[in-house]
Amino acid sequence: NAGVTQTPKFQVLKTGQSMTLQCAQDMNHEYMSWYRQDPGMGLRLIHYSVGAGITDQGEVPNGYNVSRSTTEDFPLRLLSAAPSQTSVYFCASSWTGTDKAEQYFGPGTRLTVT
Amino acid sequence: DAKTTQPPSMDCAEGRAANLPCNHSTISGNEYVYWYRQIHSQGPQYIIHGLKNNETNEMASLIITEDRKSSTLILPHATLRDTAVYYCISASGTYKYIFGTGTRLKVLA
Repeated sequence: NAGVTQTPKFQVLKTGQSMTLQCAQDMNHEYMSWYRQDPGMGLRLIHYSVGAGITDQGEVPNGYNVSRSTTEDFPLRLLSAAPSQTSVYFCASSWTGTDKAEQYFGPGTRLTVT
Repeated sequence: DAKTTQPPSMDCAEGRAANLPCNHSTISGNEYVYWYRQIHSQGPQYIIHGLKNNETNEMASLIITEDRKSSTLILPHATLRDTAVYYCISASGTYKYIFGTGTRLKVLA
């Protein structure tokens, strides 16, 4: 049982480039989410999904796209990278239901945009 | 979704109880309170959650006031490994979980 996995662990992009951060979970969780964490700051919710085919925006969705075609995968796409998107990105998953919303987090992807 | 507020930092002596407060005065009746911690730059780790009754597990205890407007996470015997940022969040049916900036707990030897 691998839990939540994220790839890559580190990435450097040039301004304007696009890329996809991968997230997968093997716990059959309905809920998946993406957060970003800037240095010395808390986590901010980018996008989330309560099941395959369903996504919604979080606090800071601009510049990012998501899709959820399977229960297991929830990729995050940066359309045109900007230096302001330099951050650590965490993916998480949980059951739905407010009494079962314990989120399991991945190890993070450290992204630098130059 | 209820917004939570926490003090930015706290210190605690090793071996003593660490009591971390959280204010969630706008919480609604079906919103659970969840606590996580983040050690260094790792992904956050779940600690405990509750609705209105006090809860205890192997890591911590959670005390929720009767009016549910605030809660306290208690680490009964803090160790140096408990040094971390602690987040209190509320979980509603909207699934829009807002973490905020948390409390940076430093356990002192």
